[in-house]
Amino acid sequence: AQTVTQSQPEMSVQEAETVTLSCTYDTSESDYYLFWYKQPPSRQMILVIRQEAYKQQNATENRFSVNFQKAAKSFSLKISDSQLGDAAMYFCAYRSLGGSEKLVFGKGTKLTVNP
Amino acid sequence: GAGVSQSPRYKVAKRGQDVALRCDPISGHVSLFWYQQALGQGPEFLTYFQNEAQLDKSGLPSDRFFAERPEGSVSTLKIQRTQQEDSAVYLCASSRPRTSNEQFFGPGTRLTVL
Repeated sequence: AQTVTQSQPEMSVQEAETVTLSCTYDTSESDYYLFWYKQPPSRQMILVIRQEAYKQQNATENRFSVNFQKAAKSFSLKISDSQLGDAAMYFCAYRSLGGSEKLVFGKGTKLTVNP
Repeated sequence: GAGVSQSPRYKVAKRGQDVALRCDPISGHVSLFWYQQALGQGPEFLTYFQNEAQLDKSGLPSDRFFAERPEGSVSTLKIQRTQQEDSAVYLCASSRPRTSNEQFFGPGTRLTVL
């Protein structure tokens, strides 16, 4: 079974600065998807960024980018130019390419953005 | 367009009561998922449907939990004889099968069992 580990329960960053959230995962599969989801205090989960394991190029979405290290099974999220609206819980998630479409989530990292 | 909706948003039940939680997916989304999120934890998978077929129910914690999607649209998660450990937020998500891989989440139902 796949597992996802987020080792930082809480992180804080100054507005306009850069922060990196860590995620490692364990799998025996060679093809899969990885995601970062954001859950603001209102609780509705939103997709931030996704990465297909077969793609070597790291995904980017505006101020959000990932560092995907397949051999190390590491998938960190970098948020540049942090904004107050980035404050939320961030969850790393894994999805197999075949079989069940379920997401396997980490425990999350609570990000605080200080003005 | 409308997103995933869930009702009720909050539910308080006495231990031993049965509850039913509803999910309305995004129109046209074939896949529908249920997750349980305990306080301070990440969501944990319960079950999912493709149309009306329940393809994976490996995450259902006990036979007190039952989910259905009889017409391939709205889904109901039923919990019988609720217990205190069932207290959690129940999240529903929907997606098109495999094409986009993105799951769109609803606001959740917060269940408190007294």
